[in-house]
Amino acid sequence: SQKIEQNSEALNIQEGKTATLTCNYTNYSPAYLQWYRQDPGRGPVFLLLIRENEKEKRKERLKVTFDTTLKQSLFHITASQPADSATYLCALIIPGNQFYFGTGTSLTVIP
Amino acid sequence: KAGVTQTPRYLIKTRGQQVTLSCSPISGHRSVSWYQQTPGQGLQFLFEYFSETQRNKGNFPGRFSGRQFSNSRSEMNVSTLELGDSALYLCASSSTWGGVNEQFFGPGTRLTVL
Repeated sequence: SQKIEQNSEALNIQEGKTATLTCNYTNYSPAYLQWYRQDPGRGPVFLLLIRENEKEKRKERLKVTFDTTLKQSLFHITASQPADSATYLCALIIPGNQFYFGTGTSLTVIP
Repeated sequence: KAGVTQTPRYLIKTRGQQVTLSCSPISGHRSVSWYQQTPGQGLQFLFEYFSETQRNKGNFPGRFSGRQFSNSRSEMNVSTLELGDSALYLCASSSTWGGVNEQFFGPGTRLTVL
């Protein structure tokens, strides 16, 4: 079955720095990969989607890369702010449309 | 535009009982997906419905079932509840099926099985 690993359960960085979160997967090759943000007590909120034939996607201070050879996606938040503190989830969508989520990385941006 | 709504928000049941959860998607969205979220397993996909048809199914036992109505509202049923079914159940709606577009999640239903 699909296995998804997100780097360290918790990540602390200083305000203004770039946060880099990792999503590694095994076995299947996803057709799409999505990143979500989840705040305590709330459902996930969609951030970005990247397709298997895309290398990089950007949205404001967010950037996602997708390396199908390494089976890895990197999620970057530049000029991080305390308001970026949350849990970030990656999700793989496999042909046949199975959805697999990672367990998430808790990001804390320290003022 | 109103977001995804889920009812009830909290539920306490005992082992062996059954439960039905409800999800109303964003107006115009025809895809509804259900997920189970626990601290240990994270977010796990249950199933996805589109236009009243189940399109995808995760690896959960048959005790977990769902349906979708003609107005796109969806219900999820869990029969013969077990302690391990305690979790946050989330539904998400999308304008298309299969993960092509973003999913909008509801606030979830917190189910506790005693």
